[in-house]
Amino acid sequence: DAKTTQPPSMDCAEGRAANLPCNHSTISGNEYVYWYRQIHSQGPQYIIHGLKNNETNEMASLIITEDRKSSTLILPHATLRDTAVYYCIVRVTGTASKLTFGTGTRLQVTL
Amino acid sequence: GAGVSQTPSNKVTEKGKYVELRCDPISGHTALYWYRQSLGQGPEFLIYFQGTGAADDSGLPNDRFFAVRPEGSVSTLKIQRTERGDSAVYLCASSPRAGLAANEQFFGPGTRLTVL
Repeated sequence: DAKTTQPPSMDCAEGRAANLPCNHSTISGNEYVYWYRQIHSQGPQYIIHGLKNNETNEMASLIITEDRKSSTLILPHATLRDTAVYYCIVRVTGTASKLTFGTGTRLQVTL
Repeated sequence: GAGVSQTPSNKVTEKGKYVELRCDPISGHTALYWYRQSLGQGPEFLIYFQGTGAADDSGLPNDRFFAVRPEGSVSTLKIQRTERGDSAVYLCASSPRAGLAANEQFFGPGTRLTVL
């Protein structure tokens, strides 16, 4: 699986959009971009995934650049409950393969 | 419905002892994964089962670690002759075998193992 690079930490004011970047310059054509998050003392939680088109669900939006070498996870209206470590992972989809986590971005949402 | 459950939630043992950690996946999920997470790090893959068989055990650090899933549901991670370096949170996840739903792994809360 391709390696990803994320900033170690970010802050965001409650109610504002949180934009979390991820670089994956060695991504292969059959690899998707996945995002998981891990709230303190809990297991990771799936957020969203995509190949090349932008994706949106009830939790977040995923913007992938045209060359697919980077992406941004957007939490449109961050709340205190969004404080967590966010992991960007690239992986072949449609198969039950392992996830390779990096160290992620620690997002702190503040009042 | 019920999520992935893991028992015990906490386990303290002494160096050299044997421990077993249990994972109950979501009913009907054929894929089951074990990861371990050290403080300040992301989860690290250990082993993956498809049904009863280990499809990928490349993440097991050495032969002190072993996992089973005899009936294709509950799995047990076994650690022999525990060392202080084995201290970590052990996470279990499950997912359907294939298709769109296989994109998502559902994680349990983990077992915190402390080796004194």
